[in-house]
Amino acid sequence: ETGVTQSPTHLIKTRGQQVTLRCSSQSGHNTVSWYQQALGQGPQFIFQYYREEENGRGNFPPRFSGLQFPNYSSELNVNALELDDSALYLCASSLAEVGGGELFFGEGSRLTVL
Amino acid sequence: KNQVEQSPQSLIILEGKNCTLQCNYTVSPFSNLRWYKQDTGRGPVSLTIMTFSENTKSNGRYTATLDADTKQSSLHITASQLSDSASYICVVIPLSGGYNKLIFGAGTRLAVHP
Repeated sequence: ETGVTQSPTHLIKTRGQQVTLRCSSQSGHNTVSWYQQALGQGPQFIFQYYREEENGRGNFPPRFSGLQFPNYSSELNVNALELDDSALYLCASSLAEVGGGELFFGEGSRLTVL
Repeated sequence: KNQVEQSPQSLIILEGKNCTLQCNYTVSPFSNLRWYKQDTGRGPVSLTIMTFSENTKSNGRYTATLDADTKQSSLHITASQLSDSASYICVVIPLSGGYNKLIFGAGTRLAVHP
């Protein structure tokens, strides 16, 4: 158990729909990162939030957006879903440290887009 | 382009045997290198974290080695168990980056058979 919880664990959507994924970070952690992991691939960085501000973004289009709340929990929103958005979405929490410290992953949300 | 390459892509071994997984990287300079274990459909769990100055680090039956000169790391699993069946992911953090700069390998999928 890493103390990072994600919901929902599984969901199915159709093309063009919108989805919101949620993440509760480990107690005391103020940084949340989101990753997309396609089947058989390593995770790809989407973006990171530190104290409610976006603090870095990977190569994902603007239809991927997020929020971090005062309690450091976070949401990932994806609009206009495409088939290629089908993946495991991972949330990871950490203390804001550059280059060090532990990174704790949640169990992920498995999104299937039909 | 910074890359992390892992080999083999997949591996099957018998319970009780040892195995070694490889990670080659081009990220330079880097802050630390990590190995994660990821069970199917679950989030990655940290096994070891090594800074560029460390050569080896153990966590139970898992031993990671690092050769910063050749830019290679390996993960050795001793006396494998059925529960070791998982993907093992090598991750490198560049010196200039934080968690938004993690570079993930695609992983090695290990299957331990009885």
